[in-house]
Amino acid sequence: GAVVSQHPSRVICKSGTSVKIECRSLDFQATTMFWYRQFPKQSLMLMATSNEGSKATYEQGVEKDKFLINHASLTLSTLTVTSAHPEDSSFYICSATTAPGQGAKNIQYFGAGTRLSVL
Amino acid sequence: SQKIEQNSEALNIQEGKTATLTCNYTNYSPAYLQWYRQDPGRGPVFLLLIRENEKEKRKERLKVTFDTTLKQSLFHITASQPADSATYLCALDESFGTASKLTFGTGTRLQVTL
Repeated sequence: GAVVSQHPSRVICKSGTSVKIECRSLDFQATTMFWYRQFPKQSLMLMATSNEGSKATYEQGVEKDKFLINHASLTLSTLTVTSAHPEDSSFYICSATTAPGQGAKNIQYFGAGTRLSVL
Repeated sequence: SQKIEQNSEALNIQEGKTATLTCNYTNYSPAYLQWYRQDPGRGPVFLLLIRENEKEKRKERLKVTFDTTLKQSLFHITASQPADSATYLCALDESFGTASKLTFGTGTRLQVTL
């Protein structure tokens, strides 16, 4: 149980294009989804937290107009990197929890990640 | 400033031995601490969770300790196998109420050799 699917797994695009990444919880309802960015040999950096039906909460330093997050249903959240540039190239990972709260409720189930390469 | 430190150097260990990974933190007061495994090019996978009032937690060959005085967690893999080779991440849970948030360490890469 608790499977999260992330698509696509890899994207190569030209500078200036927009890229959409989907994150789906397959066998549970995800009230909260998270989007992370990870550079090689570095930690996961939280970009934003999204709750179904409400606006995402962005971490300090993350441009909300650059990284658009939509959490339209309890099983789907999307991250759109708008007008991508080479510096946006990174590994993007989503995760989901089954319910908000502490402890076991905050175990996160991760997607497999999306490798974005902007030329 | 807040810091979560895991040994950035890879840990090389022989099959069958016990691997011990360390997670130290400063200027955090986590109520819970989690450990995840991450394979190259993949998302992390949850392994264990320990509460601040628990000293030790076990699951099969895995054992986690949590010392809130030392601000440290130790993660042990006994009878290690080559399949245990991966990066292991600790994550601090400072969630309050319904606001969930984990802060991850940089991870320690474990290499188990025959």
